[in-house]
Amino acid sequence: AQSVAQPEDQVNVAEGNPLTVKCTYSVSGNPYLFWYVQYPNRGLQFLLKYITGDNLVKGSYGFEAEFNKSQTSFHLKKPSALVSDSALYFCAVDGNNRLAFGKGNQVVVIP
Amino acid sequence: DSGVTQTPKHLITATGQRVTLRCSPRSGDLSVYWYQQSLDQGLQFLIQYYNGEERAKGNILERFSAQQFPDLHSELNLSSLELGDSALYFCASTFGEGRNQPQHFGDGTRLSIL
Repeated sequence: AQSVAQPEDQVNVAEGNPLTVKCTYSVSGNPYLFWYVQYPNRGLQFLLKYITGDNLVKGSYGFEAEFNKSQTSFHLKKPSALVSDSALYFCAVDGNNRLAFGKGNQVVVIP
Repeated sequence: DSGVTQTPKHLITATGQRVTLRCSPRSGDLSVYWYQQSLDQGLQFLIQYYNGEERAKGNILERFSAQQFPDLHSELNLSSLELGDSALYFCASTFGEGRNQPQHFGDGTRLSIL
């Protein structure tokens, strides 16, 4: 069965600093990997995905993620964080036509 | 706006009762997915329908059932409700049933069991 680990409960970062949210996965076969963001009282919004090809994936709102097969990781990054990036971020893997989500990381960007 | 509509936004009921949650997928989408989000369990996949047929089943309890109608809207029925069923229930949709498509989520129904 596939699974996702997001090791940190909360990530605090100063506005303007680089933001990294970590994700490792476990799946048999080729992984389809996704990042979603959730704002309070809203549904999840798609940020980016990795299916195949270039290991560096660019997504919405200046976010990118790097797929590392040897480390089974798919960390989310943003070069310069904004206060409006404060939200709950979910990593997900699709290994058998269903999404398995990590527990989520609360990102707090400090002005 | 994702284009996925969920009703009602909030539902308060008592243990032992039955409720129905409704989802209208984004225009043109054929697949509907249901998820449960709670503090202790996180985001759990419940069930998927594609063009009216069940396609995948996750951690859905026997007290729960779902269906997708010919107009592609879907309903999630929860019966014999327990306190532990209190959660946010999300619906998501995609055009096809393939693995490589991002899912579009509604804003959820918050279910509170008293």
